[in-house]
Amino acid sequence: NAGVMQNPRHLVRRRGQEARLRCSPMKGHSHVYWYRQLPEEGLKFMVYLQKENIIDESGMPKERFSAEFPKEGPSILRIQQVVRGDSAAYFCASSQRGYTEAFFGQGTRLTVV
Amino acid sequence: EDKVVQSPLSLVVHEGDTVTLNCSYEVTNFRSLLWYKQEKKAPTFLFMLTSSGIEKKSGRLSSILDKKELFSILNITATQTGDSAVYLCAVEVQGGTSYGKLTFGQGTILTVHP
Repeated sequence: NAGVMQNPRHLVRRRGQEARLRCSPMKGHSHVYWYRQLPEEGLKFMVYLQKENIIDESGMPKERFSAEFPKEGPSILRIQQVVRGDSAAYFCASSQRGYTEAFFGQGTRLTVV
Repeated sequence: EDKVVQSPLSLVVHEGDTVTLNCSYEVTNFRSLLWYKQEKKAPTFLFMLTSSGIEKKSGRLSSILDKKELFSILNITATQTGDSAVYLCAVEVQGGTSYGKLTFGQGTILTVHP
């Protein structure tokens, strides 16, 4: 049973480009959470999704950021027109049910140059 | 706003020492408190605590929750260099759309010297 898989592990984008981060949850998990970790800071919640539904996006910036978790395929976190301040590690976590322990992926380190 | 505070922010010890990491929280509708270990990769799950006063143990690591005083401690005995990592405390709240959503503390950086 593979763990939570995120790709790519490292992503470099120029300012103004789009970044697409992918997360495949653990087998049997239907709850996905995205967190962002800025340098020298803790993890901050961004969005909580179940299949085809956004449950809680209270941590998502209002502009340029979007997330989806389609019926088939991985969850996608999309950042449009990236800026230097978007440089961070983005972690995805999944859980079997919304109130059980979440398991994290290895993260995607986004660098905006 | 939900708040989780960890202390100390960093700690340097020698192998064999015992360490205690602290986590205090102020949240509405507490459900559980979780501890994670983060090396240069994914946070790995250590403990999930929901009830006060019941110690959870895994090898040299143990943790306990005090829901009256709103804090938890993580103890590591006979530390080893492999324990060097960032230890993260997170709190889950219940109700509405919040299931599974974690609020993290800033972490404690533990360095164990040989």
